[in-house]
Amino acid sequence: GAVVSQHPSWVICKSGTSVKIECRSLDFQATTMFWYRQFPKQSLMLMATSNEGSKATYEQGVEKDKFLINHASLTLSTLTVTSAHPEDSSFYICSARGVGGPETQYFGPGTRLLVL
Amino acid sequence: AQSVTQLDSHVSVSEGTPVLLRCNYSSSYSPSLFWYVQHPNKGLQLLLKYTSAATLVKGINGFEAEFKKSETSFHLTKPSAHMSDAAEYFCVVSDPNSGGYQKVTFGTGTKLQVIP
Repeated sequence: GAVVSQHPSWVICKSGTSVKIECRSLDFQATTMFWYRQFPKQSLMLMATSNEGSKATYEQGVEKDKFLINHASLTLSTLTVTSAHPEDSSFYICSARGVGGPETQYFGPGTRLLVL
Repeated sequence: AQSVTQLDSHVSVSEGTPVLLRCNYSSSYSPSLFWYVQHPNKGLQLLLKYTSAATLVKGINGFEAEFKKSETSFHLTKPSAHMSDAAEYFCVVSDPNSGGYQKVTFGTGTKLQVIP
C-alpha cells in the first residue's frame, strides 16, 4: 500500500515550453502533497505544499507563477513548469501524506526534467 | 526552527560489516524522524520512522535506528551490509507544529558505498 506514481518519469523539452508533471496516490487518498526539487548530488528542497482544493503554499524563494501547482482531487496533484529554461532542469519529486500517520510522507519515483 | 545534520557525506564499508550512518537533529518540539533511501535515479523509499513510540525503531531490510533525545541523535545502523544497500540515505525531521502544518527538513544525505 501507499504507492505514489509520477508521470512522466523523463521529459526533455525546448526552452520556453511548459511542462506538466503529474503526481498520483494510487491506493490512498492524499489530503496533502508535497513537491520537491533535487539537484545533482544534493538533498531535496521543498518547493511547495499542496492541500486538496486549496492554493498551494510555496517555500521562500520559489516562484509560484513559474511553478504552478494544482491539487484538484485527493489522488492527483500537478506541477507545471511554465516557460521552462535550462536552469529549471532538475529532478522533481512529489510526496503524499494520508496513511501511516500524518507525519509520514510517501514519495513518488521522481521526474527528471531536461530543458534544452 | 528545525534542522538535521548528517555528519558524513560518504561512508564506505565492506560487505558483511556493520553500517552506521549518523544523524543529529534540532527541533523546538517533539519531532518525528525518518530515514529514507534513494537508489540511483530512483525516488525515495521509507526505511523507518520514529513518532514518539519506542525509541529503538526497526525498519525494512534489516535497518534500525535509535532515538536518543539526550544526544539529539537518530543514527541508522545495520549489522551486516549487503551490496544492495549501496545508495543515498537521507535523515528527515518533521516538526508537527511548524506554521500549523507538517513541515519536513531533509539532511544533506549520506552516500553508502559497499565494497565486495
